[in-house]
Amino acid sequence: EVQLVESGGTLVQPGRSLRLSCAASGFTFDNYAMHWVRQVPGKGLEWVSGINWSSGHIGYVDSVKGRFTISRDNAKNSLYLQMNSLRAEDMAIYYCVKDQNTNWNDFRFDYWGQGTLVTVSS
Amino acid sequence: DIQMTQSPSSLSASVGDRVTITCRASQSISNYLNWYQQKPGEAPKPLIYGAFSLQTGVPPRFSGSGSGTEFTLTISSLQPEDFATYYCQQSYHGPATFGPGTTVDIK
Repeated sequence: EVQLVESGGTLVQPGRSLRLSCAASGFTFDNYAMHWVRQVPGKGLEWVSGINWSSGHIGYVDSVKGRFTISRDNAKNSLYLQMNSLRAEDMAIYYCVKDQNTNWNDFRFDYWGQGTLVTVSS
Repeated sequence: DIQMTQSPSSLSASVGDRVTITCRASQSISNYLNWYQQKPGEAPKPLIYGAFSLQTGVPPRFSGSGSGTEFTLTISSLQPEDFATYYCQQSYHGPATFGPGTTVDIK
């Protein structure tokens, strides 16, 4: 059974940093691209970032470029999102999402974690 | 970025009803269109990819159609567990973008 378990979400002040983690199990992690997708509670979905199976290709939505860094450790079956210079508009539930394919820009999301809440407030 | 719209934004229906949700893209996306179902407090669940292919385990009362800029999700006979919000998402060109969602609630 595929499982994606996010952690790291918490209350953080504007301008500070936070690192999210996602522990994956139940599939061959290094065969697939992975993503972070966020959702303001009660609102719609926004793709944030994706990384291909080998970390060789990465993409970000414009609003987080230069502030967020996605990475993965295939030996640990883990995905990460380093978030710097956090803003109020980054406040959301962050989902770890598996792609059906190896390329980050296929954007075919087939398994989602339960999400971790990031609250940005002073 | 490719903009996605959905109509209606919400609808009320009864168990057994046929329900159709429309999704439109701001440019042609061929058949690179996926659908998700989300219930309150839960993560989105994938339903359909490639405009019409059902994800594993999705009941056949769900179907998708369309290509280019206009797509539909149809639930042939609404079941109690189908009351939820439905999102379309384009996977044609980055960044992936989602529609604003259609909420299906009980009449």
